[in-house]
Formats: sequence, C-alpha cells, structure tokens
Amino acid sequence: GAVVSQHPSRVICKSGTSVKIECRSLDFQATTMFWYRQFPKQSLMLMATSNEGSKATYEQGVEKDKFLINHASLTLSTLTVTSAHPEDSSFYICSAFHPGEGGEKLFFGSGTQLSVL
Amino acid sequence: AQSVTQLGSHVSVSEGALVLLRCNYSSSVPPYLFWYVQYPNQGLQLLLKYTTGATLVKGINGFEAEFKKSETSFHLTKPSAHMSDAAEYFCAVSLTGGGNKLTFGTGTQLKVEL
Repeated sequence: GAVVSQHPSRVICKSGTSVKIECRSLDFQATTMFWYRQFPKQSLMLMATSNEGSKATYEQGVEKDKFLINHASLTLSTLTVTSAHPEDSSFYICSAFHPGEGGEKLFFGSGTQLSVL
Repeated sequence: AQSVTQLGSHVSVSEGALVLLRCNYSSSVPPYLFWYVQYPNQGLQLLLKYTTGATLVKGINGFEAEFKKSETSFHLTKPSAHMSDAAEYFCAVSLTGGGNKLTFGTGTQLKVEL
C-alpha cells in the first residue's frame, strides 16, 4: 500500500522554541493532508486540513498562528509548532489522502511524540 | 456532528479466544465507519470500513465488523486471537466514504496472552 513518512518520530525541546514536523507521501501525490493531535487517553483530534498550494483550513479552537502548516509540494506538508509550551506536548500524526480510484484512500504517518520541557 | 465511543481502553484476551472490541457512534447523517489498527512505532492502517450495502464487513487479518443501525454500533470481532493482533485499535466515523475527515474514538489497546 501507499506509504506516508513522518519525521521526527520523537522530539524533546525547551519551552519557547519552535519545532517542525514533516509529513511526506513517498509513492503518491497528495493534494490533501491532515494533521491530528492526540493527548494521552484521548481521541485523535483533527487540527487542520492542508491543501497543496493554498492556505490550510484549521478546526475550531486551533490557533493558526501557533501551528503553522505549509503544503508547498504534492508530497510534503509540514507542521511547525511555534514558541512551544509544555501544554503543546502531545502526539501529532499526519495523514495523506490518496486520490486514486478504489481501495484505501487515507494513509497515516507513524506520528511524532512532542515533549516540551 | 458525529462522535465515537470505544468502550474499554484496554482489552486482554487469550491466544485463540474471541476478540470483541466495541464501538458506538452518533451521527446526524448516515455514517461511514472505519476501524484502524496501529502497531508500535507505525502509522494507522485501515482494517475495514463500512460505506453502504452489506452490513457485515470483512477486513484484513481475519477481522470483521457489523454495522447495526438500531444499536448505533460497529463492533470489531475476530474469532481467534493471535499474538500478532496485539496493537491499538481505533474506531472512526466520517461523513464521506473516502474517509478524508475522520472523527476517532479514544482507542482500545488489545493485549493477547498465551
């Protein structure tokens, strides 16, 4: 099946720094990617929809200036957590929508565990 | 709006025993329902999905799920658990069959014991 690579898998940073997470579709072009966040013992929550060549669409309650999303190419979307604080510590996971006919449509990365000290 | 409830954050079964992971949903429109599995250090992988048609859906690795509208449920089952089934399982609902905007449950960690 299609592969989505997410990097890094784990990052620890100091409060106030910015962290960039990359999501790549390795063998298909993804015009749409999604970013989710999961707090311990809670659901994966959709943060934003990333569309290639246009601005991301953020879900209600998600600060667009804090979580910067860039989808500059058909195979890469990045999520930058700006001025990270301990409350931003979470598991972030991306998915890419495969537009091909039939079969599975949505493929997930393996996630990034962010810990802000 | 839609939501998903997974009963039991942890389920433990013996190898060879029946696996039953529960999922209930709420949706204002006919739902599309999904089960995903996540193995350690890997991305979510689609097990099966219900869009329309037959309410009993068969997926990979011997799993199946039945859509019961009257009970608003989509429970996941497997007749005989294998050690390799140990993983986290997520139920999800979407307004579209392609599943491009999912609402997830909190997940169920399945443990398989000898």
